[in-house]
Amino acid sequence: ETGVTQTPRHLVMGMTNKKSLKCEQHLGHNAMYWYKQSAKKPLELMFVYSLEERVENNSVPSRFSPECPNSSHLFLHLHTLQPEDSALYLCASSQDAGGSTKNIQYFGAGTRLSVL
Amino acid sequence: AQSVTQLDSQVPVFEEAPVELRCNYSSSVSVYLFWYVQYPNQGLQLLLKYLSGSTLVKGINGFEAEFNKSQTSFHLRKPSVHISDTAEYFCAVSGSSGKLIFGQGTELSVKP
Repeated sequence: ETGVTQTPRHLVMGMTNKKSLKCEQHLGHNAMYWYKQSAKKPLELMFVYSLEERVENNSVPSRFSPECPNSSHLFLHLHTLQPEDSALYLCASSQDAGGSTKNIQYFGAGTRLSVL
Repeated sequence: AQSVTQLDSQVPVFEEAPVELRCNYSSSVSVYLFWYVQYPNQGLQLLLKYLSGSTLVKGINGFEAEFNKSQTSFHLRKPSVHISDTAEYFCAVSGSSGKLIFGQGTELSVKP
């Protein structure tokens, strides 16, 4: 148990569906992250939020829309996805987002997404 | 730009044998180094970290790693592995930007 909870654990959706991934952290952290993990590829950082403000957007297609309503919750809204978007989506949190010893990231168990 | 190279994509070993998973990084500035483990159908779990101080760091499950600045390496070791250590292991580095850069992972397979 890392203190970062992701739901759902598995999601199957069609290309025309709209769905959302949820992440909640119980660590009192100020920064939250979304990563994409595809088979045989390094983890790809998608978005970074610090104190509920987006501080990084790594050229992610607009069909992925993040939302951070407060420092404990992070969502990833999905719409009109493509089959190549099928992957494991991981959420992480850290005390701070900067380059310091406070940026130790703790991960959730992930949501396995399949786009048909 | 920082980068991380995990030199072995797959490492098969027998139970109770020692293992070393190799990691090299490139960076011209001070870095923080991490090893994460991912069991099947799970997220990433922090094994150990080097932030400063002693170059030999000990982590969970009997793993340890040594930070070697001159060789820009952070190899992970365990003197005697168990079947339950079968998993994928990721080396990661972060620096002044705070961005965590991951290697491609090493699949450790422990055989009876």
